[in-house]
Amino acid sequence: QVQLVQSGAEVKKPGASVKVSCKASGYTFTSYFMHWVRQAPGQGLEWMGIINPSGGSTTYAQKFQGRVTMTRDTSTSTVYMELSSLRSEDTAVYYCARSDVVRGVIDYWGQGTLVTVSS
Amino acid sequence: DIQMTQSPSSLSASVGDRVTITCRASQGISNYLAWFQQKPGKAPKSLIYAASSLQSGVPSKFSGSGSGTDFTLTISSLQPEDFATYYCQQYNFYPYTFGQGTKLEIK
Repeated sequence: QVQLVQSGAEVKKPGASVKVSCKASGYTFTSYFMHWVRQAPGQGLEWMGIINPSGGSTTYAQKFQGRVTMTRDTSTSTVYMELSSLRSEDTAVYYCARSDVVRGVIDYWGQGTLVTVSS
Repeated sequence: DIQMTQSPSSLSASVGDRVTITCRASQGISNYLAWFQQKPGKAPKSLIYAASSLQSGVPSKFSGSGSGTDFTLTISSLQPEDFATYYCQQYNFYPYTFGQGTKLEIK
């Protein structure tokens, strides 16, 4: 069965960086795109960007351009999302989510990773 | 960016009721519209894609319709497990964008 298992909660200071991982299993890793979506406490869902695990190409939301980097390791079927220059407003649960390459439809989600930014 | 606006923002209903949630896109997105359900402290769950197609395993009590800019999610015969927050999302253009959510509460 498809599983997306994310790394554990993180606490970071303002200005630091965080790197969250998402390990995929139960399907062919390079045959599906991976998205990152975040949710601040009590707020809605916010799309951050997408990576094609096959070639590593990425598209980021303009809001995160210059601060976010999405990468993948095909040997371990893992994607990573690194966010730099953290500020308190980046405190959120970060989700990875899989979509098919043809239609872009998200079908499976990771369990989420809480990132807390606090001095 | 395409703005997705859901209405209402919150909704109270009783077990057994049928409810409809509306989602409007700021420009046409054809049928590239998905719906997600989220319960407190949990990851979202994918319900519907292509405006009206059910994800595998999703019961037929959930239905979606619409095209262009106006879409609806209808849930029939509400059960206690259906009370949650629902989000629409367009995936026609980057950046993908979500509606602000509709919280469905028990009356």
